[in-house]
Amino acid sequence: DQQVKQNSPSLSVQEGRISILNCDYTNSMFDYFLWYKKYPAEGPTFLISISSIKDKNEDGRFTVFLNKSAKHLSLHIVPSQPGDSAVYFCAASDSGAGSYQLTFGKGTKLSVIP
Amino acid sequence: DADVTQTPRNRITKTGKRIMLECSQTKGHDRMYWYRQDPGLGLRLIYYSFDVKDINKGEISDGYSVSRQAQAKFSLSLESAIPNQTALYFCATSPTPGQGGFYGYTFGSGTRLTVV
Repeated sequence: DQQVKQNSPSLSVQEGRISILNCDYTNSMFDYFLWYKKYPAEGPTFLISISSIKDKNEDGRFTVFLNKSAKHLSLHIVPSQPGDSAVYFCAASDSGAGSYQLTFGKGTKLSVIP
Repeated sequence: DADVTQTPRNRITKTGKRIMLECSQTKGHDRMYWYRQDPGLGLRLIYYSFDVKDINKGEISDGYSVSRQAQAKFSLSLESAIPNQTALYFCATSPTPGQGGFYGYTFGSGTRLTVV
């Protein structure tokens, strides 16, 4: 069973508009969430994270929102730029398990159209 | 130099051949991981190691083996490669939580493996 789900394989957005990438999880023990960005021919790179004690974390153009009751998080990119075109992976971790292993979603490919 | 270096970057091999993918890191992290990426399937964990003497299977370890030669080196072997092992392979590292908290993983640039 997929514990971290990214139900939109792809998303297209006009430059300057908002991009919203969604992620759902099923494991209620997850308490730390991260977003990774991946360009072709490169490894994923860390983008932004949020702990379950918060409902929002902001870093420049990137904001992650967490709704624990809905087991849902989203990544907002405002304004979107062509350089944001990449695959975005949502990941989650259960710190209580001690391992801090990350479970990844399947990714969403974002295309920002100039 | 990259923090996490994977070699080779690309490899084409024949079915039945043994192949080793290598990973080295300069982050000083204790934990290392091997993932594979397939289109539409995201990143799936093959093996992970929390220190030199601790190696664990991930969700898709069949057909693979690993060796943690040192804190900085973690290699992945395919003993007898088969075509459905054609994929993009990533090595990653992370610090042990407590050494400044949990900051996720640092990934290498990947090895594209094709088994023909």
